[in-house]
Amino acid sequence: GAGVSQTPSNKVTEKGKYVELRCDPISGHTALYWYRQSLGQGPEFLIYFQGTGAADDSGLPNDRFFAVRPEGSVSTLKIQRTERGDSAVYLCASSPLGDRAGAQYFGPGTRLLVL
Amino acid sequence: RKEVEQDPGPFNVPEGATVAFNCTYSNSASQSFFWYRQDCRKEPKLLMSVYSSGNEDGRFTAQLNRASQYISLLIRDSKLSDSATYLCAVLRSNDYKLSFGAGTTVTVRA
Repeated sequence: GAGVSQTPSNKVTEKGKYVELRCDPISGHTALYWYRQSLGQGPEFLIYFQGTGAADDSGLPNDRFFAVRPEGSVSTLKIQRTERGDSAVYLCASSPLGDRAGAQYFGPGTRLLVL
Repeated sequence: RKEVEQDPGPFNVPEGATVAFNCTYSNSASQSFFWYRQDCRKEPKLLMSVYSSGNEDGRFTAQLNRASQYISLLIRDSKLSDSATYLCAVLRSNDYKLSFGAGTTVTVRA
C-alpha cells in the first residue's frame, strides 16, 4: 500500500521567506508526527497530532514554526521568516495508535535549504 | 547528556562477518525501543521493534537490557546491502514522540 508522502521533496528558499511543507500520512493512521533531521544527527521531534489537534508541540523551536492538520489527514508544516539554521530534512511520520504501539513510519522527507 | 546515545562508528566489516553495536538510553521510564535503518539521503525505515525477551528477524537480533539501559543490534552473515546507518529510537511511557540516537554507520565490504 501507499506509504507516507511528502511534498515538495526539495525546497530552496531565501532567508526571511515563508515556506509550507506538506505531509500525507498512511491511510487510516490517526497519529501524525513531524521531525527535523540535520546532517549527522537522528531525527528530532517537532510536533505530534492525534486526529486534528496538536497533542504535543513541545519540539517546535520557536513561534516561527506552526503546523496544522485541519481534517485529520494531511498536515502542513509552516515556517515563517525562514533562517539559514532552519535548513534540514523535515520528516513526517504516521502510526496507527494501538498497533505495535510506538512504531512510526516515515515519509521521504522534504530537504529544505535556506540561502 | 543526550537521552539516546550511539557509537557513530563506522563499523567496517567484510561480507559474511557478524557485527554488533549498542545504544544506551538515559530515561528509565522508556518503554518501547526500535531499530531503524537509514540509507544515504533516504528516510528512516523501521527495521525491528525490540522486545523485552529479545527478538530475531532473519539475520538480525535485537536485545534489551533494562538494568543497564541499553539495546543492541547484531547482524549475522553481513551482506553488502546491509551498509547503512542504524538509528536507535526510544519511546517513553505515556509519550508518543520518539527520541533518536545519532546513528551507527555500518559499511560492509566485498
